[in-house]
Amino acid sequence: GENVEQHPSTLSVQEGDSAVIKCTYSDSASNYFPWYKQELGKRPQLIIDIRSNVGEKKDQRIAVTLNKTAKHFSLHITETQPEDSAVYFCAAKLSGSARQLTFGSGTQLTVLP
Amino acid sequence: DADVTQTPRNRITKTGKRIMLECSQTKGHDRMYWYRQDPGLGLRLIYYSFDVKDINKGEISDGYSVSRQAQAKFSLSLESAIPNQTALYFCATSDAPGQFSTDTQYFGPGTRLTVL
Repeated sequence: GENVEQHPSTLSVQEGDSAVIKCTYSDSASNYFPWYKQELGKRPQLIIDIRSNVGEKKDQRIAVTLNKTAKHFSLHITETQPEDSAVYFCAAKLSGSARQLTFGSGTQLTVLP
Repeated sequence: DADVTQTPRNRITKTGKRIMLECSQTKGHDRMYWYRQDPGLGLRLIYYSFDVKDINKGEISDGYSVSRQAQAKFSLSLESAIPNQTALYFCATSDAPGQFSTDTQYFGPGTRLTVL
């Protein structure tokens, strides 16, 4: 089955700096890579996703890049703000199939004022 | 997202007790999931269901069972709770694959379960 590794487990940045979270996956058939954000005491919510027919996707201050050859993908947050403080989860699966979403272990991002 | 609800939100129980966690959704999704969240371990899949007649084991199904009572309802049971089942439990839903559907999963608010 799919195995997703996520690094780092914790990340502290100064407000205004950039943050990068990296994930690797094992199943070369996976083609859907979402990122979920979980604020303290809240449910995980999708913030951005990428499919393997593109290498990069941006949405305002967040972007995700995908390297299919190396089987890794990354979340980039620019101009970080205190409200970006949360746990971020990456995940991978084969889209449209019966295979299930496999999550990484999460990254606790803290944005320091 | 009020479209996916879970009850109870918090529960404290004792070892050996039977516990049921319930999930309801108004999103009209066919697929429903139960996850367990532990610090440092991410979200691990317990069981999932693609429709009322379909139940599948996930990564960590031992000690758990489920029931899909209707398209909108999916319950998780712990037949005899043990302390290492203390965790945060999330229900989630997603649409079935299709031309206009996505793989997005929508999570409920979670149930914090403590087994003493």
